[in-house]
Amino acid sequence: GNSVTQMEGPVTLSEEAFLTINCTYTATGYPSLFWYVQYPGEGLQLLLKATKADDKGSNKGFEATYRKETTSFHLEKGSVQVSDSAVYFCALKANNFNKFYFGSGTKLNVKP
Amino acid sequence: EADIYQTPRYLVIGTGKKITLECSQTMGHDKMYWYQQDPGMELHLIHYSYGVNSTEKGDLSSESTVSRIRTEHFPLTLESARPSHTSQYLCASSSGPSNTEAFFGQGTRLTVV
Repeated sequence: GNSVTQMEGPVTLSEEAFLTINCTYTATGYPSLFWYVQYPGEGLQLLLKATKADDKGSNKGFEATYRKETTSFHLEKGSVQVSDSAVYFCALKANNFNKFYFGSGTKLNVKP
Repeated sequence: EADIYQTPRYLVIGTGKKITLECSQTMGHDKMYWYQQDPGMELHLIHYSYGVNSTEKGDLSSESTVSRIRTEHFPLTLESARPSHTSQYLCASSSGPSNTEAFFGQGTRLTVV
């Protein structure tokens, strides 16, 4: 079956610290992988995506690399800001299917 | 910028009332989804549609119903609201290819008192 597992939060960091949020997946075939961000009171927004093995998605200083050998898609940012405080969701969309599978979300708190 | 809209943003309603949560998208997407988001943040798929006149139940059982009479419109209805229906409801849409993302509305926060 298809599933996504991401690290539990909350994750609390000081401003300018390095961020890693782990995400691993199980999927049939070759899925596309996504990271979404949700700010308080809002819907989810796409942060970045990767559609095949070894692709790197990047946006706003965030990066994630599609690792087929380890079935992982870890989110990283070199220097977080207070404005990055939000909930982050890892997701997959499997080939030949049209449903999205989301991880349980990781809340990030960045302190000044 | 995503063109998918949910109304209302917030709704407080009494037990036993019938409610409809609206979701519309202007992107011509054939696939639309309803998710229920619990306070622990996890998303649960409750309904989805692959096109007009196509609806399916999701992974989480829900007492709500949906319809898809027009491509752009995917309303969710609760015939008799209960306090257990209190939650955040998120609507999303996506186009066909497997490498395309879902676009989300801003959500409706429903409180049943």
